[in-house]
Amino acid sequence: KNEVEQSPQNLTAQEGEFITINCSYSVGISALHWLQQHPGGGIVSLFMLSSGKKKHGRLIATINIQEKHSSLHITASHPRDSAVYICAVATGNQFYFGTGTSLTVIP
Amino acid sequence: KAGVTQTPRYLIKTRGQQVTLSCSPISGHRSVSWYQQTPGQGLQFLFEYFSETQRNKGNFPGRFSGRQFSNSRSEMNVSTLELGDSALYLCASRWTPGTYEQYFGPGTRLTVT
Repeated sequence: KNEVEQSPQNLTAQEGEFITINCSYSVGISALHWLQQHPGGGIVSLFMLSSGKKKHGRLIATINIQEKHSSLHITASHPRDSAVYICAVATGNQFYFGTGTSLTVIP
Repeated sequence: KAGVTQTPRYLIKTRGQQVTLSCSPISGHRSVSWYQQTPGQGLQFLFEYFSETQRNKGNFPGRFSGRQFSNSRSEMNVSTLELGDSALYLCASRWTPGTYEQYFGPGTRLTVT
């Protein structure tokens, strides 16, 4: 049983397209994180959410606590957005991770 | 301000050996968490240290252990290495446990042969 489910697993988009990655979770959380991992392994934390919506540049993250669901949106996608995007949830004393969404943006 | 650093970056060990990995958090950060990433299992939480005390622990066997020093630097140790321990080991730091954002290090790539 996976506490965090992400979809889609793989995503290919043309440059400029609007992209949505979804995350559903089954545990009670204190916060949800969206992470970006580039080839080579480095991970960058994009957002930390406990409610509502956050925006940073072309990235938007939303969370619906009642539905236990979060989305990460990328507007006007660019080849440099190509990476693996990982949803992670923090409970009181654990972190659970989704399996990641591999995004490729084609010029 | 320097980021999270991990040493070594790459390591090759033989089954049965033990290994120690090091993580230096961002200056001022007192919480350090460790994660294992493998192609099969993805990212998994190992443990979190705060003020030299293990605060939380994931579902890993006792061969995986860690500690934190008074300067917040942390080490993790894996004893009696198995082939399945081959992974990218990441640490992340934040000010304190709770709902504060984490900053990840570049990871240590461990290969067990």
